[in-house]
This record gives sequence, structure tokens and C-alpha cells, in this order.
Amino acid sequence: DVKVTQSSRYLVKRTGEKVFLECVQDMDHENMFWYRQDPGLGLRLIYFSYDVKMKEKGDIPEGYSVSREKKERFSLILESASTNQTSMYLCASSPGGIDGYTFGSGTRLTVV
Amino acid sequence: GDSVTQMEGPVTLSEEAFLTINCTYTATGYPSLFWYVQYPGEGLQLLLKATKADDKGSNKGFEATYRKETTSFHLEKGSVQVSDSAVYFCALTPNSGYALNFGKGTSLLVTP
Repeated sequence: DVKVTQSSRYLVKRTGEKVFLECVQDMDHENMFWYRQDPGLGLRLIYFSYDVKMKEKGDIPEGYSVSREKKERFSLILESASTNQTSMYLCASSPGGIDGYTFGSGTRLTVV
Repeated sequence: GDSVTQMEGPVTLSEEAFLTINCTYTATGYPSLFWYVQYPGEGLQLLLKATKADDKGSNKGFEATYRKETTSFHLEKGSVQVSDSAVYFCALTPNSGYALNFGKGTSLLVTP
């Protein structure tokens, strides 16, 4: 089975900190994604990547950046964390559109 | 743009009741359609999918049929169990895109 591993289940950070959320997949998938999940808003796409060193903005990229230096790793960076970035962050990978995604377990980030 | 609309929750059912969660979509072309499930404290898991009109996806007693004429992909199960309590997400991927578009999710609670 494909595994998508997110490095932390829970994180607490202070306002203004630079925050790194890491995601690793082990099945050589081309595409990787970062979503945030909030009550009443569902999943919203932050960034995605369809190849190493490639990235595309999703629906809500403001305040975030990403890095994909290796195929298996896709990092989400909060440049200066703010309280409105408190959320559940979900990483996913996919070999291609019709096969759907495999998700990680999520990182619940609290910014205080 | 492409989008998915699913029924508002929460839905509360007694064990062994019949389940329907409605999902309709707006898309150009011929998207692939998915249902994902999120159990408490976990990431999303692919439940079933359909890639063309009239396809029926099925898994774990759940079924959904891709209806192009009504642009729908309703999720059904004949007899729900307490262990089916989760949040269910309908999603589509455009035939020319990388990223999944998700509905806002429907929370299901099954009581003994």
C-alpha cells in the first residue's frame, strides 16, 4: 500500500514563527498536494506539485510556500504563522487524475 | 469552474437504516468522481470511484452510480453500522487537471 507520512500529528507554534510541515510518500507518485481542512469549509487546496521543483498555486496560497527538492518529499512552509492558519493540514499524493489520492493522517496545527 | 455540492449534515441514522448522501457536480467534459471517507482523527481514505457515465463504484457495502444526465453521484448503503460513523466527501477530478475538487463533507452518525 502507498504510504503518505506527515511528520507531526500535532503542532503548537507561536505567531510569527516560520513553520515547516513535512510530507513523504513512498510509491514514486508524480503529484503531491497540500490541503487545509476547516469546519464548514471542507478541504481547500493550498499548493500542489506535479514534478520535482515544480509547484502550482491552489485556491488559498497566501501566507504559504512549498518546496519539492525530491520526488518523495513535499514541504509546506508558513513564512510567518498567524492565528488564522490554525487548522488541520492534509498532504496527499497521486500517480494521476483518475486514480484519486492517498492521504496522510494530517497535522493539526495550532498557532497561539 | 468545476465544483461539487453535497448535502448538508450532520446525518443521524439508527443502525441498519438505509443511507443516501446526495452529491451533484458541475464540470466541463467528463470528470472522474470519487467518494472519500474520514474516520475521527484520521486522514481521508478513498471509498469508491467511477470514471465514466453509468459506472457504478462499490466498496464495503457502499455504492454510487455516475449519472451524467443528472450530474449526480449519490452515495448509498443498504444497512449502516455504528462503525460507518465518519465524514464523507464527494470529489471530482477534471479530465484535464491534476487536482481534486472536494465537496464540503457530510458528517454521518450512526447510533445503536
